[in-house]
Amino acid sequence: DTEVTQTPKHLVMGMTNKKSLKCEQHMGHRAMYWYKQKAKKPPELMFVYSYEKLSINESVPSRFSPECPNSSLLNLHLHALQPEDSALYLCASSQVIKTPIYEQYFGPGTRLTVT
Amino acid sequence: AQSVTQLGSHVSVSEGALVLLRCNYSSSVPPYLFWYVQYPNQGLQLLLKYTTGATLVKGINGFEAEFKKSETSFHLTKPSAHMSDAAEYFCAVSPNQAGTALIFGKGTTLSVSS
Repeated sequence: DTEVTQTPKHLVMGMTNKKSLKCEQHMGHRAMYWYKQKAKKPPELMFVYSYEKLSINESVPSRFSPECPNSSLLNLHLHALQPEDSALYLCASSQVIKTPIYEQYFGPGTRLTVT
Repeated sequence: AQSVTQLGSHVSVSEGALVLLRCNYSSSVPPYLFWYVQYPNQGLQLLLKYTTGATLVKGINGFEAEFKKSETSFHLTKPSAHMSDAAEYFCAVSPNQAGTALIFGKGTTLSVSS
């Protein structure tokens, strides 16, 4: 099973709302990632969790707050977003052992619209 | 530092024609290379990967890619395009460090006409 699931599929929220995106994988991967993707652009890395600890934060604004409750789950908490935050949010996972790096498996994404 | 360049942001082919999507990389260490495909409103799906060993790599849906170290290239090909191949294609290189992000090219949109 090489599936990463994400919920919800679509989300519309106002600038004062608080919402969360969820990601789940059962492949035993110990690295999980959040990416943001704008139309016709490659994914941009936001956060990396390695063994449930935040290892990379690509200078993402604090209105995005990641959480990794366990090795299978990854959340992204959203608060006071701006319209320019509207995008496709992708979750991915991969093995974490040593080099060589393993490929990342992506979920279907959450299409976020901020009004 | 590693980087990826995809030549041609948009490639158009006729159904049944050869598909060639170009990817060149820059890496100071032996690279690990990937091709991903993204259909509209979907996530990225791994097409194929090169890590070590055989330089001609076969992937899903009839795609293959050849790693050419001398040319620093990893071009994606398919002998005969199908309408269902129309999608966005991303080439990516691994930083060769577990738990870090892939470095993506800017992507190539493949259109297939009947």
